[in-house]
Amino acid sequence: AQKVTQAQTEISVVEKEDVTLDCVYETRDTTYYLFWYKQPPSGELVFLIRRNSFDEQNEISGRYSWNFQKSTSSFNFTITASQVVDSAVYFCARSNQAGTALIFGKGTTLSVSS
Amino acid sequence: DTAVSQTPKYLVTQMGNDKSIKCEQNLGHDTMYWYKQDSKKFLKIMFSYNNKELIINETVPNRFSPKSPDKAHLNLHINSLELGDSAVYFCASRGGISDTEAFFGQGTRLTVV
Repeated sequence: AQKVTQAQTEISVVEKEDVTLDCVYETRDTTYYLFWYKQPPSGELVFLIRRNSFDEQNEISGRYSWNFQKSTSSFNFTITASQVVDSAVYFCARSNQAGTALIFGKGTTLSVSS
Repeated sequence: DTAVSQTPKYLVTQMGNDKSIKCEQNLGHDTMYWYKQDSKKFLKIMFSYNNKELIINETVPNRFSPKSPDKAHLNLHINSLELGDSAVYFCASRGGISDTEAFFGQGTRLTVV
């Protein structure tokens, strides 16, 4: 199976620390999409970013940044100056071969304390 | 204005009962999904419909039957509920071929007692 691996099950940081969530994926496809979703304690799934396999440019959105490296099949997510409101489970995902569904990693639970 | 809405948000029921979860999206998307999130937070695709046609049916017991009356609705009916069916069920939708991200409903927490 072409899976998505988030090796960090839980991470705890103190406010204002930077934190990086790792994501490694497997694929035999040349075209695919990668995603990050956030699941706060309230339970909903919030879309954060999509990246296609042809675009290796890093992306920054406020305190969030993403580093996509095809050479290592990684799509890591960094939160700069973390805040308590960043506490959530973060899921990395990739599109399946047909592009019709998402394959999720097992998630990383991030706890930010004040 | 909710984009993908599921009802109910919470559902507690006894083993052996039959229950349904409803999902509606007002985004005009062609594709809708059901995902299951287990107690360890693992999310897995169950079903996918495109314009009312089933296109993905993962290894799910046939007690689970999705129904899509129109492309804005995808309901999930579960027969003879078992304890192991307890989970959070998420409905999602996706636009056209170039829109690969899925937008999720708020989830339905099903507890079978």
